[in-house]
Amino acid sequence: DQQVKQNSPSLSVQEGRISILNCDYTNSMFDYFLWYKKYPAEGPTFLISISSIKDKNEDGRFTVFLNKSAKHLSLHIVPSQPGDSAVYFCAANPGGYQKVTFGTGTKLQVIP
Amino acid sequence: DAGVIQSPRHEVTEMGQEVTLRCKPISGHNSLFWYRQTMMRGLELLIYFNNNVPIDDSGMPEDRFSAKMPNASFSTLKIQPSEPRDSAVYFCASSLGFDRGGYQPQHFGDGTRLSIL
Repeated sequence: DQQVKQNSPSLSVQEGRISILNCDYTNSMFDYFLWYKKYPAEGPTFLISISSIKDKNEDGRFTVFLNKSAKHLSLHIVPSQPGDSAVYFCAANPGGYQKVTFGTGTKLQVIP
Repeated sequence: DAGVIQSPRHEVTEMGQEVTLRCKPISGHNSLFWYRQTMMRGLELLIYFNNNVPIDDSGMPEDRFSAKMPNASFSTLKIQPSEPRDSAVYFCASSLGFDRGGYQPQHFGDGTRLSIL
């Protein structure tokens, strides 16, 4: 039972354009959401997060949007850069509990 | 600051052998997590510790897997006996859990790539 789903295994975007990565979840107990970036042969690195009391959080070129009614979140990268090419994992955590459930990842390729 | 340190980075061994993976969390972090990443199942949580005590081991696949955290700066994940289907990348992560700033994200090591022949 995949509680956090990333339905697009891969995405290609031209340098300078917007990258939009999507994530859906099924567990209504999730109230904290995170995005991690992973390069080959390295561990995932925390990128940005959002609490369920917000619908948007921004950090430089990265913005995460949360739509609780649709149980959907997205990560926007503007403008995309070749160094953003990596696998992006969506993750979710129920309040007061440390166990994080990860999606299966989306491989982003930014083409110069 | 040093991040999460895992050893070895690569391990190749024959089926039936005992395998021990090691992890040193970030100093001051009170929570430690072991994950396994495979193509089929993605990143799965195996077990996590809080203040050196195992809290949730529901992800440990079977009795062949065991994990210990004898102190705040060291943890091991052991597989005995190992099987080819255990081949995967194993990650260790640590975090502060919750503090006054709310939930704190996990910091991952670079993983151990395990191959069981």
